Amino acid sequence: MQMTQSPSTLSASLGDRVTITCRASQSISNWLAWYQQKPGKAPKLVFYTAPGSQSAVPSRFSGSGSGTEFTLTISSLQPDDFATYYCQQYKSHPWTFGQGTKVEIK
Amino acid sequence: EVQLVESGGGLVQPGRSLRLSCTASGFTFDDYAMHWVRQAPGKGLEWVAGISWNSGSMGYVDSVKGRFTISRDNAKKSLLLQMSSLRPEDTAFYYCVKDMDAGRWLHLFESWGQGTLVTVSS
Repeated sequence: MQMTQSPSTLSASLGDRVTITCRASQSISNWLAWYQQKPGKAPKLVFYTAPGSQSAVPSRFSGSGSGTEFTLTISSLQPDDFATYYCQQYKSHPWTFGQGTKVEIK
Repeated sequence: EVQLVESGGGLVQPGRSLRLSCTASGFTFDDYAMHWVRQAPGKGLEWVAGISWNSGSMGYVDSVKGRFTISRDNAKKSLLLQMSSLRPEDTAFYYCVKDMDAGRWLHLFESWGQGTLVTVSS
């Protein structure tokens, strides 16, 4: 099961609405999570979906999609949001991550 | 507050062994599945191994099957990863990770330790 993210790098300004895409090589329903990682730090779970539920921390993060195509949207980019984001499927073994999308300051 | 503290990383020669440990606090350890996730320097994330709350189920990524063994000691609130026949491509930060829901084998990674670096080099 491969997870492919786009773009690899995204340049944006404070207050921008940004969207990251994640595609699965086969259907994962909506068993998908998103993690944020800052340099030198461990990843942090910021959004996940499962059949019948979803959760976002903080609430300016939202996600959509089902099957093979998913997006993570940050509604208004804050200084704390500049980081690398990884999607991860938790539908089936092996539990795979995307290659990452770096959100940098324009 | 959930705390996961890894130890045991270091420099090791190819073909040798190393054991990683993770000490947990701030939650009921024996209710949760636990995992090891690694990240080569400057690269992406890779799930390595997982174990259910009662050690009834274990799983591994194909690249470490037969070489790595995950285990846990619920009395000591510790997670272990025994790594043998180490290869240069095993060089990475190894994170101890707590699963999301008690009593479920979700592979949704809620809480992470700070990681311990394993370097495999001669």
